[in-house]
Amino acid sequence: ETGVTQSPTHLIKTRGQQVTLRCSSQSGHNTVSWYQQALGQGPQFIFQYYREEENGRGNFPPRFSGLQFPNYSSELNVNALELDDSALYLCASRATANYGYTFGSGTRLTVV
Amino acid sequence: KNQVEQSPQSLIILEGKNCTLQCNYTVSPFSNLRWYKQDTGRGPVSLTIMTFSENTKSNRRYTATLDADTKQSSLHITASQLSDSASYICVVSSLSGGYNKLIFGAGTRLAVHP
Repeated sequence: ETGVTQSPTHLIKTRGQQVTLRCSSQSGHNTVSWYQQALGQGPQFIFQYYREEENGRGNFPPRFSGLQFPNYSSELNVNALELDDSALYLCASRATANYGYTFGSGTRLTVV
Repeated sequence: KNQVEQSPQSLIILEGKNCTLQCNYTVSPFSNLRWYKQDTGRGPVSLTIMTFSENTKSNRRYTATLDADTKQSSLHITASQLSDSASYICVVSSLSGGYNKLIFGAGTRLAVHP
């Protein structure tokens, strides 16, 4: 499945810094979710946006925030990075509830 | 608590052999269940989706089953190929709080050896 693009593919940041990860969804995909996947674990839900508003959130602190734009792109922002934030961050989008999510290939974030 | 448990955690089989992966879930309300294949460092790719009323669904060499009474699902891979080496993740969707929440299992890491 293609159509969801994430950038960058890899990123190294220092503890305490801020990072912005980007996701470009297929046209018409008005729902986007972000996930954090630690090595060897399943993805953990961070939050979901529908038509540019957050409508669901997992157990992540407020320093994880997001934005969704009218052009079907979205961002995940993480402030005050911690070592445990090192993970693969996945973006997934879909058009309606009748369709499944399409995942991007992820951004591998390493915090040192 | 909504949970998805998968077994085994990892599995090694020889090329050409069959295998079955298990998924048990305690998710309510249940919307649907998907099996995803995830290659290392890549995003998950959907293999099958099953709703409450479906018992079996096949996609090429993949056959998924769902028992909604016991809340169990399985993914059977037939005539395995080297390219089947990946993590297989069971994901249960639950409509809650006005949005569809996905609960992921930790995955089964499958290695197919020649």
